[in-house]
Amino acid sequence: DSGVTQTPKHLITATGQRVTLRCSPRSGDLSVYWYQQSLDQGLQFLIQYYNGEERAKGNILERFSAQQFPDLHSELNLSSLELGDSALYFCASSVAGGVVNEQFFGPGTRLTVL
Amino acid sequence: AQKITQTQPGMFVQEKEAVTLDCTYDTSDPSYGLFWYKQPSSGEMIFLIYQGSYDQQNATEGRYSLNFQKARKSANLVISASQLGDSAMYFCAYYNFNKFYFGSGTKLNVKP
Repeated sequence: DSGVTQTPKHLITATGQRVTLRCSPRSGDLSVYWYQQSLDQGLQFLIQYYNGEERAKGNILERFSAQQFPDLHSELNLSSLELGDSALYFCASSVAGGVVNEQFFGPGTRLTVL
Repeated sequence: AQKITQTQPGMFVQEKEAVTLDCTYDTSDPSYGLFWYKQPSSGEMIFLIYQGSYDQQNATEGRYSLNFQKARKSANLVISASQLGDSAMYFCAYYNFNKFYFGSGTKLNVKP
């Protein structure tokens, strides 16, 4: 158990809908990262937050947004869902935001868009 | 731009033998980090080992070691004394400016 929690574990929804994925980092970790893993795109970095502020953006679509709350949990919002958004979404956390030398992943949320 | 390359889609190794998983990267930045992760069939991602670009020595964590050759821009993972539980996907990742770039992964199968 990495100490990073993600809910829900599975999510099935329809095209055009909006969903929210939730992540709680390990105790003491200030950074949260979101990733998407799909068969065709592989593992893609989406976005990073550090202590409530956005730190870096990767291949995140405009239909997607995220935030990190004062208690350090984070949410990833996916809207206007398309079939191609079906993927495993991981959250990870680390203590630091700049120099990162370890990173711990949650179990992931498997999103299926029908 | 493609920054990280894993050229071995799949590999087999005999139990108790050592195996090397290849990873090369493309960068002109002097400061960066290199990570390896394991993803078993159950799906979770497990952090294995980290190497900083300025680290003088190769990183080691138990049976895992990272063969870092900076001039060649390679960061190969060496697993010693392979175990059946090492069968999994292995991903190399390049980290710089707060962003991660992952390779396509290598599927390792350990044979009894």
